[in-house]
Amino acid sequence: QQQVKQSPQSLIVQKGGISIINCAYENTAFDYFPWYQQFPGKGPALLIAIRPDVSEKKEGRFTISFNKSAKQFSLHIMDSQPGDSATYFCAASPHHNYGQNFVFGPGTRLSVLP
Amino acid sequence: DAGVTQSPTHLIKTRGQQVTLRCSPISGHKSVSWYQQVLGQGPQFIFQYYEKEERGRGNFPDRFSARQFPNYSSELNVNALLLGDSALYLCASSLGSYNEQFFGPGTRLTVL
Repeated sequence: QQQVKQSPQSLIVQKGGISIINCAYENTAFDYFPWYQQFPGKGPALLIAIRPDVSEKKEGRFTISFNKSAKQFSLHIMDSQPGDSATYFCAASPHHNYGQNFVFGPGTRLSVLP
Repeated sequence: DAGVTQSPTHLIKTRGQQVTLRCSPISGHKSVSWYQQVLGQGPQFIFQYYEKEERGRGNFPDRFSARQFPNYSSELNVNALLLGDSALYLCASSLGSYNEQFFGPGTRLTVL
């Protein structure tokens, strides 16, 4: 129940295309859903995050769609660029006032072809 | 502003040895979390500390321990190293115990 499932494992998109990565969870206690971008040899960088009180959040070319009833959320990268080529992780954190520990998905390796 | 810093960058140890990894959070951040990232997988939560108190512990053996200092920096200790401990160890800092987490570059530990 603590797992976060992520698909696809890898994704190849042409420059200018839309990249879509999907995640699903079981634990209804999760209430914070960030996406991280990681380049080889670097730590994950926070990209965008959402809480369950909204169904969509957009920041520049990045959009999170959230479906609370289906317990699914997805990342859309519009106008994908070669510089977006990286591994993307979705994560989830349960709500409690004591602390916060993220559960990460296994990652999606995105390659954007020029 | 400087981000999260970790030291050392790389480390090679042999089985049975002990290792200490260090983390300095972003200035003003009071919470530090540690994660283990095995090659090809997502990070796994090890510990969270806030104001020097442990606020969370993941499913790791007692060989793993950590502490946070008055200046909010933190150390992760791993005793009796196993080959399976080879991984990228990530530190993340946040303002409080329940805020956005920002990751450092990690320490690559190789156990031979």
